[in-house]
Amino acid sequence: DIQMTQSPSTLSASVGDRVTITCRASHSISSSLAWYQQKPGKAPKLLIYKASSLESGVPSRFSGSGSGTEFTLTISSLQPDDLATYYCLQYDSYSTFGQGTKLEIK
Amino acid sequence: EVQLVESGGGLGQPGGSLRLSCAASGFTFSNYWMHWVRQAPGKGLEWVSRINSDGSSTHYADSVKGRFTISRDNAKNTVFLQMNSLRAEDTAVYYCATRLDYTSGFQHWGQGTLVAVSS
Repeated sequence: DIQMTQSPSTLSASVGDRVTITCRASHSISSSLAWYQQKPGKAPKLLIYKASSLESGVPSRFSGSGSGTEFTLTISSLQPDDLATYYCLQYDSYSTFGQGTKLEIK
Repeated sequence: EVQLVESGGGLGQPGGSLRLSCAASGFTFSNYWMHWVRQAPGKGLEWVSRINSDGSSTHYADSVKGRFTISRDNAKNTVFLQMNSLRAEDTAVYYCATRLDYTSGFQHWGQGTLVAVSS
């Protein structure tokens, strides 16, 4: 099974900051990686798929990069509405989520 | 508009059973794989199971293998999760999810149904 290691587990940043979250896969997953945003009491929302493709309707301040085993989610200019927990998901071989990153606004 | 609506959650006894349902609409259900994902209180997301479009192939996380069974009724646009031998650690919100683009992650999610396992 493919394991996903996501870091950091928590992140505190200020409005306007550039924020980066990383996921590492235990085996190569090509570009079969998605990023999700989840707010309390809500279902996850797809932000990025195929490692770097922006889902329709998602603000352009969100971007993804990477392939193989190393992936990043970047928020170019943090907004108050971005307060949430973020997860990566590999879907190359079955499916595995990362452990999540709780993003706090300073 | 794609809609996924879960039902069947509630209080289950340790060692007991529950059956979850997920009713789908807004897309040709019989063409797409369906998945169950769960989230224990205060914890992260855990993929649980998936079933292919005609129901001939299924796969499970190790944590539920041998206890949970996924199935589907394409005539009723519904996917099920039969949960047997329930344990306290099965307590979670259970989501059904799907993707209509096989190059994407799970694009569409239900609202979730809460399963609580306790005596």
